[in-house]
Amino acid sequence: DARVTQTPRHKVTEMGQEVTMRCQPILGHNTVFWYRQTMMQGLELLAYFRNRAPLDDSGMPKDRFSAEMPDATLATLKIQPSEPRDSAVYFCASGASGRVEQYFGPGTRLTVT
Amino acid sequence: KQEVTQIPAALSVPEGENLVLNCSFTDSAIYNLQWFRQDPGKGLTSLLLIQSSQREQTSGRLNASLDKSSGRSTLYIAASQPGDSATYLCAVRMDSNYQLIWGAGTKLIIKP
Repeated sequence: DARVTQTPRHKVTEMGQEVTMRCQPILGHNTVFWYRQTMMQGLELLAYFRNRAPLDDSGMPKDRFSAEMPDATLATLKIQPSEPRDSAVYFCASGASGRVEQYFGPGTRLTVT
Repeated sequence: KQEVTQIPAALSVPEGENLVLNCSFTDSAIYNLQWFRQDPGKGLTSLLLIQSSQREQTSGRLNASLDKSSGRSTLYIAASQPGDSATYLCAVRMDSNYQLIWGAGTKLIIKP
């Protein structure tokens, strides 16, 4: 049963701390998306990778957020330093080349106090 | 700028009823439209995808329709069950690019 996995599922941290969220895309998928979901803004696209290269990260606050794909099986989203307004659920999704379908992970619920 | 709206934000109906969820978009030049389901504490699951050239798609008890000219899509759920309780989101693509533009969702509760 192929699925996108995300760790951790929950993270509570204090303002100013570094947060790293990890995503393992479905094996063979070459596109990875990072989304943020809040009650106020709904779902927002933060970054998009294809074949491990970032194609669009315009939705991501550059001063504190960074996204990488060290290899084809791991995508990371890092926040440094974290702020209370970063509290949200962060979703990773992956897709196959040439297909529009995106498969979502269960999300990481981040709370910054 | 494309905007996607889902009304109502929440809906509660008795089990067994047929129901319709609505999605509207301001720019009719869409590439495709997709309906997703989100369960509490979980990610999103794609339900149906309608290409701009299509009028409807069906999967089991679900039927999604698309009327580009009026900027509307509906998700019809037949014989609703408590297990259908979830938040339903629609999203549109303006071209073959990946970018999805999301509605805020309709939270559906099916009462036993």
